[in-house]
Amino acid sequence: AQSVSQHNHHVILSEAASLELGCNYSYGGTVNLFWYVQYPGQHLQLLLKYFSGDPLVKGIKGFEAEFIKSKFSFNLRKPSVQWSDTAEYFCAVNARSSNTGKLIFGQGTTLQVKP
Amino acid sequence: DTAVSQTPKYLVTQMGNDKSIKCEQNLGHDTMYWYKQDSKKFLKIMFSYNNKELIINETVPNRFSPKSPDKAHLNLHINSLELGDSAVYFCASSQIMTSHYNEQFFGPGTRLTVL
Repeated sequence: AQSVSQHNHHVILSEAASLELGCNYSYGGTVNLFWYVQYPGQHLQLLLKYFSGDPLVKGIKGFEAEFIKSKFSFNLRKPSVQWSDTAEYFCAVNARSSNTGKLIFGQGTTLQVKP
Repeated sequence: DTAVSQTPKYLVTQMGNDKSIKCEQNLGHDTMYWYKQDSKKFLKIMFSYNNKELIINETVPNRFSPKSPDKAHLNLHINSLELGDSAVYFCASSQIMTSHYNEQFFGPGTRLTVL
């Protein structure tokens, strides 16, 4: 069965620090990969996605992620975080062969940025 | 011009009651989903409908019954509510039949509290 693992459950950073959130998935086939963000009290918004092509993808608000197929990883990065980046971050995977669109989510990482 | 909307936003009710949550999308998508987010923020798929046909039915108590009157609407009816049903329920939609790239758009969530 597919699964997604996010290594960091709770990350606390100061403003301007660099961020990297880990995400690993288990599935042998072709996947679509996503990072979603959930700001306090709000719904999930798409940060970025990987379908194919360049494994380094850029998203909104200065976020990027790198797909490393050999490591089954899709880590999220940002060079310099801001207080407004405080939120819950979710990695998600969809098997390309699935005809149901089913997304499997990781457990989420709570990011707290101190001003 | 809300893409995915849900009503109500908050729902507080007594154990044993029956309640419904409604979801509508105006994106023209063919597939809609219900997710449950528990108190630890973990997101899990419950159901999915494609063009009014049930295509994902995860291990969910049969007190939960989704209904899709048309492809723009997916409602969730819950019978005999239990304390453990307290959670945030998110609706989402995507286009899967003409695209391999299942980007899902989420609604604002319904926070259900069972007393």
